[in-house]
Amino acid sequence: QQQVKQSPQSLIVQKGGISIINCAYENTAFDYFPWYQQFPGKGPALLIAIRPDVSEKKEGRFTISFNKSAKQFSLHIMDSQPGDSATYFCAARTGSNYQLIWGAGTKLIIKP
Amino acid sequence: NAGVTQTPKFRVLKTGQSMTLLCAQDMNHEYMYWYRQDPGMGLRLIHYSVGEGTTAKGEVPDGYNVSRLKKQNFLLGLESAAPSQTSVYFCASSRPGLAELFFGEGSRLTVL
Repeated sequence: QQQVKQSPQSLIVQKGGISIINCAYENTAFDYFPWYQQFPGKGPALLIAIRPDVSEKKEGRFTISFNKSAKQFSLHIMDSQPGDSATYFCAARTGSNYQLIWGAGTKLIIKP
Repeated sequence: NAGVTQTPKFRVLKTGQSMTLLCAQDMNHEYMYWYRQDPGMGLRLIHYSVGEGTTAKGEVPDGYNVSRLKKQNFLLGLESAAPSQTSVYFCASSRPGLAELFFGEGSRLTVL
């Protein structure tokens, strides 16, 4: 019940295309859903986040779509660029102890 | 503007040896974390600390010990290294109750 399931494990998208990464969860007590971006040799960094009372959040080319009833949320990267090539992690925060539960990660490659 | 600094960045150990990873943060954050990252498994929390002098177990604490004697430092120790502890270790820090974690660049540990 504490898991966050992330898919796909890897994704190849052409430059200019839309990249979509999906996550699903079971625990309805999760109260915050961040996405982190990690470049090779670096630590993850917060990209965008959403609360469950919001269905969509957009920041530039990055959008989180949140479906509370389905317990799913997804990251959409519009007009994907080679510089977006990275590993993306979804996560969910437990409201009780504020710890993050992480998805397994998606390695995204944008082909020029 | 250092943020979170981890030392060493690389280390090779023989089975049974001990070592300590050091994490230092200059953002005056209360919370600090140690994660390990393995391919296909995302980030798994080893131990964390919610303040100076306090530590708590995470998801995978066995074989590791930690100490938080000073607010800005969080040490991760391996008393008797095993090949299963070959991994990339990340330290992170955050303000209380927030989901934005600030990560170091990682420490790659190989146990032969």
